[in-house]
Amino acid sequence: QKEVEQDPGPLSVPEGAIVSLNCTYSNSAFQYFMWYRQYSRKGPELLMYTYSSGNKEDGRFTAQVDKSSKYISLFIRDSQPSDSATYLCAMSAGFQKLVFGTGTRLLVSP
Amino acid sequence: GAVVSQHPSWVICKSGTSVKIECRSLDFQATTMFWYRQFPKQSLMLMATSNEGSKATYEQGVEKDKFLINHASLTLSTLTVTSAHPEDSSFYICSAGRGQGTDTQYFGPGTRLTVL
Repeated sequence: QKEVEQDPGPLSVPEGAIVSLNCTYSNSAFQYFMWYRQYSRKGPELLMYTYSSGNKEDGRFTAQVDKSSKYISLFIRDSQPSDSATYLCAMSAGFQKLVFGTGTRLLVSP
Repeated sequence: GAVVSQHPSWVICKSGTSVKIECRSLDFQATTMFWYRQFPKQSLMLMATSNEGSKATYEQGVEKDKFLINHASLTLSTLTVTSAHPEDSSFYICSAGRGQGTDTQYFGPGTRLTVL
């Protein structure tokens, strides 16, 4: 079993839809949770960072962490074609060593 | 803030040659830098962690004599792929951490290496 599970997709939605991306994990020691966006042939870009459980909102993005269920989510409101990318969840138990999900490829059609 | 650059962005080399990739944190000091490798449609695989002024820590299965890492300053780390072979062709990405406590890493744009 992988430490972090993420559906690779692709997830196809129409412009304006609410997108829900999710990851599950098995290591209860994870405390830091991140979402990165990666465009093709580019480095990952940090979108959201959350420590421990709870919600965090930044513009059209909302990150949720449920440590009791070992489940994290990223919601994108009013999705745009420019949001089409691969979204990677990442998490850490400390000391900066990140464990990544496989990434979910999102396609937003005009 | 938190900009990380990589150079070159792509490189093509002949089998048997060595290639050096630079990673720089432009607007912050990075106590720790990381090197990842990414194959098409796959996630990032951590190769090694480097701290300024000390030897890099390599992940299991990564040949330290093949992938030489030098972290000479708080803003520069280099990865040298020695005696490159076609199977070393990949997308290499570095990241930099601002310090302990946040565990956030900021990534460079990546370097695409093609070994002929």
